[in-house]
Amino acid sequence: AQKVTQAQTEISVVEKEDVTLDCVYETRDTTYYLFWYKQPPSGELVFLIRRNSFDEQNEISGRYSWNFQKSTSSFNFTITASQVVDSAVYFCALSSLGNKLVFGAGTILRVKS
Amino acid sequence: DSGVTQTPKHLITATGQRVTLRCSPRSGDLSVYWYQQSLDQGLQFLIQYYNGEERAKGNILERFSAQQFPDLHSELNLSSLELGDSALYFCASSAGTGLLANEKLFFGSGTQLSVL
Repeated sequence: AQKVTQAQTEISVVEKEDVTLDCVYETRDTTYYLFWYKQPPSGELVFLIRRNSFDEQNEISGRYSWNFQKSTSSFNFTITASQVVDSAVYFCALSSLGNKLVFGAGTILRVKS
Repeated sequence: DSGVTQTPKHLITATGQRVTLRCSPRSGDLSVYWYQQSLDQGLQFLIQYYNGEERAKGNILERFSAQQFPDLHSELNLSSLELGDSALYFCASSAGTGLLANEKLFFGSGTQLSVL
């Protein structure tokens, strides 16, 4: 069975602090995809990134960066110099052939000014 | 804006009632997915349609049903509602068939269902 664990239920930081959101996954498939979605207060789920299981290169997009480590089955997300607008619920998700997107429980990020 | 439209945004109803949630996918997307987000279960996949045909089923109750129409919009019907059905129901769409694992899903803003 596929499973995504986001152990951090809620994180509070002060603006400009760096913050890392943890994601650990379980799957028996060798080919799979990992995703991060953001759910701002407006409620809509916004796609942030997709990474396949064969690509362990870290990725950086502006203040966002992702660290994928197959050895530890982790796909962590770091926000550098956090801003109030980053306040949202962040979901890590996993999919593989024949299995629909499975989400973690989400991490609530509160960035205070 | 993801391009996926869900109506209504909020729905309040009583136990035992039946409601219909509507979703219009992004222009050009043939697949529609329904997800339920609740406090105790998190985000759970319910069902997927591709070009009018059911493609995959998740944890969807027998009291729930869905369909996708020729114009590709989809409806999720929830009947004999119970208090525990209160949740945020998301619709998502994708350009592909849903068979590949790498498809990016675009989500609507959801319908908040409250069963009193």
